[in-house]
Amino acid sequence: GDSVTQTEGLVTVTEGLPVKLNCTYQTTYLTIAFFWYVQYLNEAPQVLLKSSTDNKRTEHQGFHATLHKSSSSFHLQKSSAQLSDSALYYCARSNTGYQNFYFGKGTSLTVIP
Amino acid sequence: DAGVTQTPRHEVAEKGQTIILKCEPVSGHNDLFWYRQTKIQGLELLSYFRSKSLMEDGGAFKDRFKAEMLNSSFSTLKIQPTEPKDSAVYLCASSFRQGAEQFFGPGTRLTVL
Repeated sequence: GDSVTQTEGLVTVTEGLPVKLNCTYQTTYLTIAFFWYVQYLNEAPQVLLKSSTDNKRTEHQGFHATLHKSSSSFHLQKSSAQLSDSALYYCARSNTGYQNFYFGKGTSLTVIP
Repeated sequence: DAGVTQTPRHEVAEKGQTIILKCEPVSGHNDLFWYRQTKIQGLELLSYFRSKSLMEDGGAFKDRFKAEMLNSSFSTLKIQPTEPKDSAVYLCASSFRQGAEQFFGPGTRLTVL
């Protein structure tokens, strides 16, 4: 069946160092798009990145992700983490199926000085 | 343009009470979603409407949870009767079409005593 997997529940990184949040998926239906959502404390989730093109890098706010259909992945990366990046990150996928939107369980990122 | 609005922002209920949460989607959006958010489970889909038709009723949630879409600009989520394990943040989201980016409301934080 369809699913989105985020392997890390908690990630802690030192300010200025690179960070990578993993996202893989299983699919039955045709994909429409992939998303990374970010949720800051006491705020609603909001889209950080979205992509529907295989092997094309997408960037926003210093973060980037590339959809790789060959490995069923859409990992989120940043070369230099900032304290303000501390938040909850969700990977999500939309498709043409009956239930058309799947979220991963989320990764809580903490950036420390 | 107004985003997704949810009321109330906070709700405290006694065990066994009936509570109704309200959501107004972004004007013109055709899809509406209700989620429950907890630290352990992340985002769990409760209900999904497409053009006011119920597409997904949340499986395990459907015995005490009932979402309705009274018109294209207003939805309610009723929990009856409430239990302490229902304590969570309830998020409403809407999107323009199937598979498109979801826009989230600020959520309702429910505490059941």
